[in-house]
Amino acid sequence: NAGVTQTPKFQVLKTGQSMTLQCAQDMNHEYMSWYRQDPGMGLRLIHYSVGAGITDQGEVPNGYNVSRSTTEDFPLRLLSAAPSQTSVYFCASSYSEGAGTEAFFGQGTRLTVV
Amino acid sequence: KNQVEQSPQSLIILEGKNCTLQCNYTVSPFSNLRWYKQDTGRGPVSLTIMTFSENTKSNGRYTATLDADTKQSSLHITASQLSDSASYICVVITGGGNKLTFGTGTQLKVEL
Repeated sequence: NAGVTQTPKFQVLKTGQSMTLQCAQDMNHEYMSWYRQDPGMGLRLIHYSVGAGITDQGEVPNGYNVSRSTTEDFPLRLLSAAPSQTSVYFCASSYSEGAGTEAFFGQGTRLTVV
Repeated sequence: KNQVEQSPQSLIILEGKNCTLQCNYTVSPFSNLRWYKQDTGRGPVSLTIMTFSENTKSNGRYTATLDADTKQSSLHITASQLSDSASYICVVITGGGNKLTFGTGTQLKVEL
């Protein structure tokens, strides 16, 4: 079972470049989200989606865009990369946004902005 | 401010020994609490979920406890194995469930 698949696993960008982090899930989950994980900090929510066509901002949305055209895919776009966006990014999905629902995470994308 | 604090920050134990990881939270309104295991280079994987009314829940060698009055949870690992080496993250879910507050994790290393 593939679960949540993120690509690429590693990426190096120059300041000002743009790129898209891909996330796909094959569990027919409605709820998907993007987090960033930085040293000494807990995962922080960037953007989330409760279903196709619906997205909303999380705790740290600045500098990122998302879209949700299908249930399966939830790409994260960096518009103009900055060194402060160097981080490990995780995509997660869950059946719903209900309190008892487990979030399944991808393997992460390690992004370095130089 | 809603926070989840974990201790210790890191821990080294010998294989076969037990250990207990702590999680204190100020998040409200509380819905439930999950412990996740994150192996190096991987995403977090859920170990157990605790609801408000539950005090103890086990998953194999992992036992989680919750004291909702003192807002404390612990994760006890019995007879540790090398494969238990990972970061253990406490996550508190609030309200309807779409707000997750993550702790910074405890980095556990199990040695021979």
